[in-house]
Amino acid sequence: QQPVQSPQAVILREGEDAVINCSSSKALYSVHWYRQKHGEAPIFLMILLKGGEQKGHDKISASFNEKKQQSSLYLTASQLSYSGTYFCGTDSGGYQKVTFGTGTKLQVIP
Amino acid sequence: SAVISQKPSRDICQRGTSLTIQCQVDSQVTMMFWYRQQPGQSLTLIATANQGSEATYESGFVIDKFPISRPNLTFSTLTVSNMSPEDSSIYLCSVADGDQPQHFGDGTRLSIL
Repeated sequence: QQPVQSPQAVILREGEDAVINCSSSKALYSVHWYRQKHGEAPIFLMILLKGGEQKGHDKISASFNEKKQQSSLYLTASQLSYSGTYFCGTDSGGYQKVTFGTGTKLQVIP
Repeated sequence: SAVISQKPSRDICQRGTSLTIQCQVDSQVTMMFWYRQQPGQSLTLIATANQGSEATYESGFVIDKFPISRPNLTFSTLTVSNMSPEDSSIYLCSVADGDQPQHFGDGTRLSIL
């Protein structure tokens, strides 16, 4: 079953914050976050392993609630370069086989 | 991370024909995957390419339609057989090694006339 992301789309002004949520119906081993710009390959952002881990670099961070089978991606002080479609990917077995979520299209405007 | 080369980058094909897509990595990797991404949609896993054995296909994808080879730890091919307009899509290979996350090739944009 494909993980469900919310919101489906969001428009931000530069400097604003955003949260993207990912919810799975399956128990999870890990959650992966990717960003894809139009016409390009998905780019890896970060991976979170089960254990309620929170990670971050620069102004992008993420959390993983294993019990709720949910993850959230936090973008703070958004930049124009953050525009793109964000996908969460879930791995239930620990074998790197990832099921990608429904996607969230994020647009940052000046 | 590994450098992934996928060829061709795009192609336009006639219905009923077949196309083979190549994925080359600059280092040995344990896992190689093939995905399909239809316009405006998420990525759907077609199969896991297994070195030296038959690929593992996901529900809805069959070997006769999407034969996959993986002769070694750096190379894999995906063939899209007997193509129809519904096969128009972006096909992506990805690689992962050990517990490292997947990284993607640039994809093959396929249009069927």
